[in-house]
Amino acid sequence: DAGVTQSPTHLIKTRGQQVTLRCSPKSGHDTVSWYQQALGQGPQFIFQYYEEEERQRGNFPDRFSGHQFPNYSSELNVNALLLGDSALYLCASSLRTGGHEKLFFGSGTQLSVL
Amino acid sequence: AQTVTQSQPEMSVQEAETVTLSCTYDTSESDYYLFWYKQPPSRQMILVIRQEAYKQQNATENRFSVNFQKAAKSFSLKISDSQLGDAAMYFCGIGSQGNLIFGKGTKLSVKP
Repeated sequence: DAGVTQSPTHLIKTRGQQVTLRCSPKSGHDTVSWYQQALGQGPQFIFQYYEEEERQRGNFPDRFSGHQFPNYSSELNVNALLLGDSALYLCASSLRTGGHEKLFFGSGTQLSVL
Repeated sequence: AQTVTQSQPEMSVQEAETVTLSCTYDTSESDYYLFWYKQPPSRQMILVIRQEAYKQQNATENRFSVNFQKAAKSFSLKISDSQLGDAAMYFCGIGSQGNLIFGKGTKLSVKP
């Protein structure tokens, strides 16, 4: 049973560019959440997708957008990259039950903005 | 707003000994849960233990147990019989509806 998979593993971009990160949820899961983890910090919630719609959003600018596909996989897009966007981006999946679902995380995409 | 504070940036424990990691939080939510995640060098966040806030009994998972003091808003993690594989970053946090708030983490080293 494959867990949460993310691609690519590492990515290098320059300021002003756009980037797309991908996530495939754990088998049987229908909800995907994205987190940003800056160096030396805990992960910060970006947004959550369920039924192909953004359901919750953290305190991130509109440059951060996402998408969820019918097969529950998800993409995170970041436009007009800033140096401060350099971080580990983590995807987490869960099965929506109406209660406090258990989240399973992938190993992340390390984004470096030069 | 919800906040989580881990006051111990680094901790060290001897193999087979017991160590306790501290965590305090603040929230205005009435329905939430608390958790500890472990992040080894592989970067994957691994759930160690979780506790529903409405439950009074402290959660345990094998060698891992928590001391949940709701009135004090404290949620510490005790690791018994520490093993070399326990070495990692440990993040405490609070969650509701898939939105998790993490602390800054405690780096745990295990000495052989």
